[in-house]
Formats: sequence, C-alpha cells, structure tokens
Amino acid sequence: GQNIDQPTEMTATEGAIVQINCTYQTSGFNGLFWYQQHAGEAPTFLSYNVLDGLEEKGRFSSFLSRSKGYSYLLLKELQMKDSASYLCAPLEGNYQLIWGAGTKLIIKP
Amino acid sequence: GAVVSQHPSRVICKSGTSVKIECRSLDFQATTMFWYRQFPKQSLMLMATSNEGSKATYEQGVEKDKFLINHASLTLSTLTVTSAHPEDSSFYICSARGDRESSPLHFGNGTRLTVT
Repeated sequence: GQNIDQPTEMTATEGAIVQINCTYQTSGFNGLFWYQQHAGEAPTFLSYNVLDGLEEKGRFSSFLSRSKGYSYLLLKELQMKDSASYLCAPLEGNYQLIWGAGTKLIIKP
Repeated sequence: GAVVSQHPSRVICKSGTSVKIECRSLDFQATTMFWYRQFPKQSLMLMATSNEGSKATYEQGVEKDKFLINHASLTLSTLTVTSAHPEDSSFYICSARGDRESSPLHFGNGTRLTVT
C-alpha cells in the first residue's frame, strides 16, 4: 500500500538549520517532490529528486535514498517566512502524486 | 516557469446553487490536470483527474454528478460544484504538470468556496 511518514510539527529558531525527514512506501516509484504550503494558500514547488543523493537549491536542499524509501528537506539560514507546512510527495508512475499530511514548521525569533 | 491560473480565488454562494471554477495552464499544454480539495489542517485530497478530450477519472467517494469536470482544451479544465451544500465549503485547488517526467506539479492559487 501507500504510506508517507513525516513529523507532524517541528520548531526551529530563526537563522538556524532544520531537517525535515520523510519515509515512504509506494509502488511504481518515479521520484519525490517537496512542496511548501503557507496557511490558506496552495502548495508551491520546492524540489524534485529521482536519483539518490543531494540536490541543493539556494537555502533549501533535498536528499533521496530510493533503497531506504527515505528523503529529507534541509532548510538553512531559516527566516520567519519559512514558517509553513512542508509536504513530501512521492510520484507513482507519471502523474500520481501521493500526499501526506505534511510537516508544520514553526520558526521562532 | 510553468504557471497555472485558477479563478475565482474566493466565492460565496447560497445552498442549492452551482459554482464553476476554472483552471488554466498559461505557458504549457496540460493533457492532464488534477483537482484537489483541502479541509482546514488536513492534507490535500485528490478528487479527480481531468483528461483532455475524455471523461474525468474520479477518486473513490467523490460524486461525479455533483462535481462536474470538463477538460475541453489542452489549457483549460473546469470544475463545477452543482447544488452546493454547506459541507462542500472547502479549499479547491487545481494542478497540472508539463510533459516531462521531471516536470513538477504546479498548482493554481486555489479557490476558497463558502456555501451559506
């Protein structure tokens, strides 16, 4: 079956680094997306990993281990505007994204 | 980059009326679009997959006669909530992907529907 496991909520301090972990079980795995969603808004695309390893994009980096069914999103130099939910979404086949409940990240001054 | 436009952003309607929500891909062709619904503090729930030129594929538990989907062109899909009830009040979001495997799913800004 399909299963996504992320922490429900995390708290971090402005300027610090935080790592949001995601484990998943899917069939027909074809990569994994990370999205950011602010309250009351639609999700926005952050990253896509299909090969094992780390993809760096500015303050955000995403890592994937296909054999372990594991990914993480690393946020550096945290800013208050990073307070949001972060959604880990494995891709099944060409179009089917599997959504979990996401991780609510709270940034404190 | 790819942009998906959704309209309206907010709508308030009376119980029993119908509401149409439009979703457009602005700079790419989308043979497939997706309609989601999200209740407060809950995850995105896929309602249906909209296929250009053919019938939509609905997820289990979603009433196809209540949520009418029309994907008439490669850049436009519409969702009509018919005979709306207060329990249909929710945040409706459309999305579309480009044609390549690495193309991300881009979301519209969502439509907040309130049925009174």
